[in-house]
Order: sequence, then C-alpha cells, then structure tokens
Amino acid sequence: DAKTTQPTSMDCAEGRAANLPCNHSTISGNEYVYWYRQIHSQGPQYIIHGLKNNETNEMASLIITEDRKSSTLILPHATLRDTAVYYCIVRPPSVNAGGTSYGKLTFGQGTILTVHP
Amino acid sequence: NAGVTQTPKFRVLKTGQSMTLLCAQDMNHEYMYWYRQDPGMGLRLIHYSVGEGTTAKGEVPDGYNVSRLKKQNFLLGLESAAPSQTSVYFCASSSPLGRLAGGLSSYNEQFFGPGTRLTVL
Repeated sequence: DAKTTQPTSMDCAEGRAANLPCNHSTISGNEYVYWYRQIHSQGPQYIIHGLKNNETNEMASLIITEDRKSSTLILPHATLRDTAVYYCIVRPPSVNAGGTSYGKLTFGQGTILTVHP
Repeated sequence: NAGVTQTPKFRVLKTGQSMTLLCAQDMNHEYMYWYRQDPGMGLRLIHYSVGEGTTAKGEVPDGYNVSRLKKQNFLLGLESAAPSQTSVYFCASSSPLGRLAGGLSSYNEQFFGPGTRLTVL
C-alpha cells in the first residue's frame, strides 16, 4: 500500500475552512484515497473517499490533484467539534474472491486538527 | 440500530490472565476487524474476518486469537495477557463492496465501535 505523509498538527479558527493536506506520491493508479477522523477517545469515523475526481459530501470535500500524488481534505466551516486526528489512507480497490486485500485500513500518525474559538 | 458495540468498555488484568473481548454489529456486515491503538499512534490491525467461520491474521496478530461463529459477532481472545497488550482495542465492520468509479469498486466504509480500554499489570 502507498505511504502517506501528513503534517503532525494544524490549527483552524472556528467558522473558517480547514484544509488538511496529504502527500501520497507513490500511489498506484487503482488505489483510492480515504479520510477518517478520530475524536478523542472515540473510534475512527469515515469522512470521505475518492479515486481521481473531486468528491463532496455532507461532511467535507476531497480535492485530488491531477497526478494523484497529493490530496486535500476541506472542512468548509470548521466547528469546535471538528477537533480530532485526521487520517489520510491509501487503499487498494476491492478484489473478487481469492484476493487478499479485503478492505484493510493502514493508519499512519495522522494530523491533529485543533479548532479554536 | 446500535451499530458496532464492544464489551467491556474497560478492563484491568494481571499478567497471565485471560479474557475475551466481544464485538457485535447489527448492520449485517460481512467483514469485521480488530485493531489496537497505543498512545500517540494510529490503529494497527490485529485480525480480521471476511465472513462467518473465517478469520485471518493482520499486522500484529501475536498473542491474540479470534473467532467468528456468528456473522454478527467477532471475539478477540487474550490467552495469557502481557503488559505489552495494554492498549485501546477497536472493532470495526463493513460490507464488502462499495461504489464503482473508473471501473473499480471501492470498499465500503468501516464502522468502528467505541473501544475497549485494557490495562495489563
């Protein structure tokens, strides 16, 4: 699986957009970019994922560069409750029976996002 | 729906004791996973299961055993606990296939439980 590089920590003012970068320069053409977050003492929570096109859902937007070597997670209007560790994960596509991937997630250190008033 | 639940929430063991952590999900998911998380680190996969009656080793399987006798339950066992197994344990579940994009099918999201905090003295 491709390795990801994220800044250790970031700050954001409440109500502003939070832009979290992720570098995945060794990503393969068929690997997806996933984002999860973990609020203190809770289990991780899925945010969004994409392959090559930009994606948006009710939680966030994901911008993937054209060469797919990096991506940015955007929380458009950060709130105090968005303070969490954000994990960028590169994940192979699903495989049919006989494959070995089975959707495993490989977590790195993530980015500690602190949203302040 | 309760989602993914874990029992117990907290436990303190002495070295050499055994225990079983229970994970239950009510979403009819095929895949289930056990992770551990040590302070300041990301989650590491211990074991996983792709269906009832099947289990497989993850990244850090030593010292643990698992069983998936029922689709909705995934048990993690510690036969002889060691201080190095002090950690927070998370269970997760997912369905196999997600949406198609560019001819590829992505995996569905994993839903995580609230965690079990285990201390081994």
